[in-house]
Formats: sequence, C-alpha cells, structure tokens
Amino acid sequence: GQNIDQPTEMTATEGAIVQINCTYQTSGFNGLFWYQQHAGEAPTFLSYNVLDGLEEKGRFSSFLSRSKGYSYLLLKELQMKDSASYLCAVNAGNMLTFGGGTRLMVKP
Amino acid sequence: DAGITQSPRHKVTETGTPVTLRCHQTENHRYMYWYRQDPGHGLRLIHYSYGVKDTDKGEVSDGYSVSRSKTEDFLLTLESATSSQTSVYFCAISGRTSGEGTDTQYFGPGTRLTVL
Repeated sequence: GQNIDQPTEMTATEGAIVQINCTYQTSGFNGLFWYQQHAGEAPTFLSYNVLDGLEEKGRFSSFLSRSKGYSYLLLKELQMKDSASYLCAVNAGNMLTFGGGTRLMVKP
Repeated sequence: DAGITQSPRHKVTETGTPVTLRCHQTENHRYMYWYRQDPGHGLRLIHYSYGVKDTDKGEVSDGYSVSRSKTEDFLLTLESATSSQTSVYFCAISGRTSGEGTDTQYFGPGTRLTVL
C-alpha cells in the first residue's frame, strides 16, 4: 500500500523560513516530487529528488532521505505569494501517489 | 507552459447523465493522466495512458472510463454521473525527452464538475 503523510496546515511570517515535512511508506520508489498549488489553480512543479541529499533552487530547497522515508521542502525569505498548498508525491513507475497537501499561510 | 488544455472548465450536470471531459496536449507527451481532487483526499489517480489505445486503472477508477484514440487527446467519461463524482478533475502529462526529466508531470488547468 501507499501512505504519504504531511501536515495539514502551517503558518509562518513573511521573511521567515519554513520547513514542510513529508513522510512516506510506499511499495516502489523512483523519486519524490514537490508541487505548489495556489487556491483554484493547478499544481505546478517545484522539485524532484531521486537521490539522498539536498537540492536547492533559489529560495526553495528539497531534501530526501530514502532510508528514513522522509523528505522536506524548505522555503526561505517567505513572501506573501508563497501562501499556497504544497503537495508531496512519490513516484513509482510513472505513477504518482500524492499526500493530502500542506496549506501554508504566510502572514505579514 | 506545458501546452495542456482541458474542456470544459466548468460543468454542472444532473445525476444519471453521461459526462465527458477532454484533455488536449500539443507537445507529443507519451503519458497522460486523469486525477480528481477533493478536500481531505488530495489528488487521486483515476486512469492513465501510456500510449494511443493503451490505458490502465488508477486508485479510484470505479465509475469512470477513458479513451485515447490519438496522442494529443485523452478523454474521461462518467457513464452515469453521481453526486460523489462532484470534484475538480485535473489532467496531467509526462514523458518529455528533456528538461526536468521524463517523469515530471505537468498539470492542466482543471475542470470543476458539479453533479446535482
């Protein structure tokens, strides 16, 4: 079976750093995706981790530990526009299984 | 822009009527997917296609059928719509030969379906 867990909601302050965690137990693993989804819009691709370690893309970084079944998305220098849902998804053979998403609210 | 569109964008229908949603892509991606998104459940895979006339079931396929008669179009049909199928439906594509990787899925704008 597939089980992917992430917090339902988080709140952070503009300019701060926030870490969104994702834990998974899946049959099959080819990599882990993070997507951003603003309310009423489609998910957009943020990052893809295949190997253990940290991948950095500007203000966003994503970390993966395959042995622990754990990933996190790190958002630095938060901006109001970062208020959105962040979706963790495990890739197993061209199929993605998504967690429920974490709704991040950025406050002034 | 991954060149993916969905139609219609919004639809209201009645229980028991058939409904077809269309996903259209312009970049020759091999894989196409249909998801539904509901509060508390996240995105769940309904069906997917790995080529023309090649499809398979996802996690929540009951009550849905799909067809892919050409590379660019993937149709999702609700044979007899029920209120439990009220949802937002997203199409996704993958299988590019370059860029972020062939596994990266790109999503269409979504279709909001209401079944009364």
